[in-house]
Amino acid sequence: QQPVQSPQAVILREGEDAVINCSSSKALYSVHWYRQKHGEAPVFLMILLKGGEQKGHDKISASFNEKKQQSSLYLTASQLSYSGTYFCGTEGIQGAQKLVFGQGTRLTINP
Amino acid sequence: DGGITQSPKYLFRKEGQNVTLSCEQNLNHDAMYWYRQDPGQGLRLIYYSQIVNDFQKGDIAEGYSVSREKKESFPLTVTSAQKNPTAFYLCASSLRPGASYEQYFGPGTRLTVT
Repeated sequence: QQPVQSPQAVILREGEDAVINCSSSKALYSVHWYRQKHGEAPVFLMILLKGGEQKGHDKISASFNEKKQQSSLYLTASQLSYSGTYFCGTEGIQGAQKLVFGQGTRLTINP
Repeated sequence: DGGITQSPKYLFRKEGQNVTLSCEQNLNHDAMYWYRQDPGQGLRLIYYSQIVNDFQKGDIAEGYSVSREKKESFPLTVTSAQKNPTAFYLCASSLRPGASYEQYFGPGTRLTVT
């Protein structure tokens, strides 16, 4: 079952904050976040495991609420380089051999 | 430098022809994956391989075939049976099998079939 991301697209000015959500109808064991710039390969951002763990580096962080079966990605004081499409990938059960990706959220940062 | 290479970057074929997309990694990763990406959509899994000489179908395997004869190579063949083959194809690998490991992606091959 494909996770649902929201919003589908967001436009911000440099320095503003953004939140991208990823929700699943099934229980989750882990959630991955990737960023893809147009025409390029997706780049890994972080993995969150069940347990409500919050991770982050620089000004990008994420949370994972296993009870709500959702994860959120937080981008604070956005920079132009943050522009791209963000994908969450979910692992439905421990030991699953594959991820299921959401449809993506397109983030545009304007000067 | 370690990484994943895919060739060619752009590929054009006539309808009815089979075409093979190359994927090579020098990361010494056990697992490899093939995804298809259509405009405005997420990544859909075609095939994946956990070890050499073994592979499993993903969510959209119909019309595709793969082989894993060497650890570093995982070529994808798009056959004439694939009804809508025009897409962006991404190869990925992870250190070990399993969805808990981060995936490293290649630069992709954009296939156009006319």
